[in-house]
Amino acid sequence: ILNVEQSPQSLHVQEGDSTNFTCSFPSSNFYALHWYRWETAKSPEALFVMTLNGDEKKKGRISATLNTKEGYSYLYIKGSQPEDSATYLCASMKTSYDKVIFGPGTSLSVIP
Amino acid sequence: NAGVTQTPKFQVLKTGQSMTLQCAQDMNHEYMSWYRQDPGMGLRLIHYSVGAGITDQGEVPNGYNVSRSTTEDFPLRLLSAAPSQTSVYFCASRGQGAPSGANVLTFGAGSRLTVL
Repeated sequence: ILNVEQSPQSLHVQEGDSTNFTCSFPSSNFYALHWYRWETAKSPEALFVMTLNGDEKKKGRISATLNTKEGYSYLYIKGSQPEDSATYLCASMKTSYDKVIFGPGTSLSVIP
Repeated sequence: NAGVTQTPKFQVLKTGQSMTLQCAQDMNHEYMSWYRQDPGMGLRLIHYSVGAGITDQGEVPNGYNVSRSTTEDFPLRLLSAAPSQTSVYFCASRGQGAPSGANVLTFGAGSRLTVL
C-alpha cells in the first residue's frame, strides 16, 4: 500500500444497523492513524488518533481498532442513527512532524 | 479561543484573477496546512508548513503559493485562477510531537471559491 485507501466508498444502512469501514495505510514508517467525521457543509472533526498496534478507541457508539503490522484500521458504528450520516475520513502519519494525507473517505447514509 | 479562522467564507473570481485566502490560528500550532475538497476524492493536501519560514508542497500544489512568516498565519495565494480551482478550501492546524493526541487536525470553517 502506497497511499491511504478506504472501503467501501459509500454505504447505506437502516437505522439500528451496526456497520464498519476499513482504512488501509502504508505499514512501513508508521507513526499515527487518525479518524475524522465530516458532516455535509461542516468542517471535519477528529474522532480518534491511534499509534500502537492493537490500539482500540471508543467514543459512544463509535469504536476503532488498529493493526500497524498489516496496515489497516477498522471503524465500527453500533446501532447506527440518522445523525451518524457523514463522511468518515482516515489519515496516516509517518512521523510526529509529517504531513497528514487523507484517504478518499467512506460516505455513510443512515436511513430512518 | 477562536481556533482556526478562515476568510473569506465565499468568493467569486473570474478566470485569470488572483486572490489570497487567509488562515489564522491562536493555538500556537507549529503545523498548518491547506486542503481542497474534491468530489469523490475527499480532502487533498495543497501545501503545508511545519513552522514559521518553512513550507512544502502537498499532493496538488500547482497554481497555488503559500508563505509562513509567523506561527499564527498561513495565507494561500491563487496566482491566476482557473475554473478547475473551483472548490471548498480548508485550512487546518495541529500541534507536533508527543503526545500524539496533540497531532489531530483542527479545521477552519472553509472557504467556498467559485471561478467563472
